[in-house]
Amino acid sequence: GEDVEQSLFLSVREGDSSVINCTYTDSSSTYLYWYKQEPGAGLQLLTYIFSNMDMKQDQRLTVLLNKKDKHLSLRIADTQTGDSAIYFCAESSNTGGFKTIFGAGTRLFVKA
Amino acid sequence: EADIYQTPRYLVIGTGKKITLECSQTMGHDKMYWYQQDPGMELHLIHYSYGVNSTEKGDLSSESTVSRIRTEHFPLTLESARPSHTSQYLCASSEGSSGTDTQYFGPGTRLTVL
Repeated sequence: GEDVEQSLFLSVREGDSSVINCTYTDSSSTYLYWYKQEPGAGLQLLTYIFSNMDMKQDQRLTVLLNKKDKHLSLRIADTQTGDSAIYFCAESSNTGGFKTIFGAGTRLFVKA
Repeated sequence: EADIYQTPRYLVIGTGKKITLECSQTMGHDKMYWYQQDPGMELHLIHYSYGVNSTEKGDLSSESTVSRIRTEHFPLTLESARPSHTSQYLCASSEGSSGTDTQYFGPGTRLTVL
């Protein structure tokens, strides 16, 4: 079945850039998403990219999509301590009805 | 701002009790979901619904049951709680008709069964 994989941990220093990577297997993916989860809360959508796009930028966030390699990344510029959270990659396709698959999440630690 | 609510936020209960976790959304979304998540761990889809009177089991087997009598309401029930049910339960909804399948999450219910 479809799968989404992410590395589990990333540690960066405050002010540096963070890059969180994700790979997926579903070649019919329509949209790819990044969600953020802070401790004790639900997930919150950060951004998404349509599968025919290569890049999307939104303030400090840059999403890069390599559809050929089925690789998605999220770059956070000037990482702050408030960015410490779990980041979930997800993909959805409309094959057989919309279904979204989430990765296991990458825990980002930002050191002051 | 997502308009999806879960109650209670925290629940500590004894083994064998029946519990219902409430989830409501005011966005008119057709699709709703329940996920189980141990703290800081991955999400496991346990139930979902495509609309009123539609319920499906998710990828992770669960002893809980759900109902969808009204569009805005998707409660989850455990008939007899056990310590193995201790976890965080997240409810979500999405429009689901076309375009993205962006899911809006509630704040979660943290369940502890003693």
